[in-house]
Amino acid sequence: GNSVTQMEGPVTLSEEAFLTINCTYTATGYPSLFWYVQYPGEGLQLLLKATKADDKGSNKGFEATYRKETTSFHLEKGSVQVSDSAVYFCALRTGQAGTALIFGKGTTLSVSS
Amino acid sequence: DGGITQSPKYLFRKEGQNVTLSCEQNLNHDAMYWYRQDPGQGLRLIYYSQIVNDFQKGDIAEGYSVSREKKESFPLTVTSAQKNPTAFYLCASSPDEATNEKLFFGSGTQLSVL
Repeated sequence: GNSVTQMEGPVTLSEEAFLTINCTYTATGYPSLFWYVQYPGEGLQLLLKATKADDKGSNKGFEATYRKETTSFHLEKGSVQVSDSAVYFCALRTGQAGTALIFGKGTTLSVSS
Repeated sequence: DGGITQSPKYLFRKEGQNVTLSCEQNLNHDAMYWYRQDPGQGLRLIYYSQIVNDFQKGDIAEGYSVSREKKESFPLTVTSAQKNPTAFYLCASSPDEATNEKLFFGSGTQLSVL
């Protein structure tokens, strides 16, 4: 079946450090891939997405490249800020009826000044 | 402003009580979804609806019920049969169900048991 696996947290970094959160997926067909971010007590906001192999999604300094050969969509940022502290979810959507959005378990990022 | 509104933000349930979580969207989306979020478990799909007057069970539908009488509204009832209801509940929508496009999320309802 379809699934998403992302690295477990929490991830604790100092301000301006480099961030990588790993995400791999299993899916039939050609899914779209997403990173969502959740700030404390809030819903999910779309951070970036990629819809086909080799696409790079980017937003607010975050990037992720859709790698079909390794079935991965790792999230990276060159220099994190305290305001980036949140929970990050990797997700996929296949477009098949009844599958909605399939999420990883989330990775908590904590950035200290 | 277009978006999804969930209410209330916090809700408390007594033993044996049914409670209903509200979800309204003015995005003119056909598809709507309910997810449950537990710490360390990500989001799990409870129910979804592709169109008015139609809805389908997700992965963890037991103890929950929904209705979709209007396009804009998709309320979730947590029944007394749900023995572990404490969680953060998220409603979402998308233009249609069978698509690769993103979901739009509400701000969530935290349900706790008294």
